[in-house]
Amino acid sequence: ETGVTQTPRHLVMGMTNKKSLKCEQHLGHNAMYWYKQSAKKPLELMFVYSLEERVENNSVPSRFSPECPNSSHLFLHLHTLQPEDSALYLCASSHRVGWEGYTFGSGTRLTVV
Amino acid sequence: DAKTTQPPSMDCAEGRAANLPCNHSTISGNEYVYWYRQIHSQGPQYIIHGLKNNETNEMASLIITEDRKSSTLILPHATLRDTAVYYCIVRSPDSNYQLIWGAGTKLIIKP
Repeated sequence: ETGVTQTPRHLVMGMTNKKSLKCEQHLGHNAMYWYKQSAKKPLELMFVYSLEERVENNSVPSRFSPECPNSSHLFLHLHTLQPEDSALYLCASSHRVGWEGYTFGSGTRLTVV
Repeated sequence: DAKTTQPPSMDCAEGRAANLPCNHSTISGNEYVYWYRQIHSQGPQYIIHGLKNNETNEMASLIITEDRKSSTLILPHATLRDTAVYYCIVRSPDSNYQLIWGAGTKLIIKP
């Protein structure tokens, strides 16, 4: 357990479903991130939040919708996904944006059918 | 594109030092070098980072050449649990938030 908890660990969803991924940290970190890791591809940064404010949206399609209700929780809402969105979705946090070593969660393995 | 070059895979005997090289010939003067590793089915784990000087912590040592164009991560006494993909990353100057991840080095520790 790294201090960043992601649920669920595995998720299978149809293309018409709506689901949400949850991330929680109690490390006192002020920055939280969503990353996507597809098979045989490098990690891709999706979103960055600093003190609950989104500060980066890395050209992510609107079918992915992040939410940060407080500095400890981060959600990724999913709707009408495509099979190519199947990947490992990783949440990370850091003391502040950019400079510190990130703490990653174990990820949610998403399969879109 | 990743700003670093790493060998795709390496082997190391258990108990020996594992030395993982990384080339970052286009690194800028204010860019840090970060190392992470990812054990199968887990999220990446931060190991160490440095700017110019060599760094050491409880996990590893980081040796950066004087011209800063390459670095080596050293795991002094590798164990089977060190088998993982190791990523050498240089922070992008284009964004304050982005670490540009490459393919990393798959390190296999053999008994």
